[in-house]
Amino acid sequence: ETGVTQTPRHLVMGMTNKKSLKCEQHLGHNAMYWYKQSAKKPLELMFVYNFKEQTENNSVPSRFSPECPNSSHLFLHLHTLQPEDSALYLCASSQDRDSGANVLTFGAGSRLTVL
Amino acid sequence: AQSVAQPEDQVNVAEGNPLTVKCTYSVSGNPYLFWYVQYPNRGLQFLLKYITGDNLVKGSYGFEAEFNKSQTSFHLKKPSALVSDSALYFCAVRDRLNYGNNRLAFGKGNQVVVIP
Repeated sequence: ETGVTQTPRHLVMGMTNKKSLKCEQHLGHNAMYWYKQSAKKPLELMFVYNFKEQTENNSVPSRFSPECPNSSHLFLHLHTLQPEDSALYLCASSQDRDSGANVLTFGAGSRLTVL
Repeated sequence: AQSVAQPEDQVNVAEGNPLTVKCTYSVSGNPYLFWYVQYPNRGLQFLLKYITGDNLVKGSYGFEAEFNKSQTSFHLKKPSALVSDSALYFCAVRDRLNYGNNRLAFGKGNQVVVIP
């Protein structure tokens, strides 16, 4: 375990469903991130939270809705997704947002399949 | 804008042979450079980073990387590959002039296959 836990590990949903991904970190970090990983593409940064405040939305469609109730928990709410949204969604955390040499700690990811 | 190029999709190497995974980067200023590894069904795991100082950086599991400013490269190396090194390797860069939001630019990853 890396200290960042993601649930569920696998999720299959229809285009009209509503589901949520959950991320929890026990590292005392103050910044949390959502990334999208698609095969043979660079990791795509989706959202950044620093001290529970969203500091970046990287032009993500509104069918993805993040929520960060505290510095330890991060959610990604999903609704009316498209098949091209099928991917591995990775949560990460770091000590803070602004230190340039910060190392990210990643969770194992949630594999999402949209039918 | 910052970016990373990992030119090879897959690197095949025989067990016991040297392993090299290539990475070149582009930033406006000076870089912070990172390597992460992803084993099957796992998230990315930090291997090593270059901040400043010695161009040769040593990391976990016997890996090292050499920062070459003139060639804008940060190739990952291991003198003797193990079958357990088979994984997906990601290079990442952050511009020292623009590190707000921990904006890392990742490459697309290189699949390393170590053949017994």
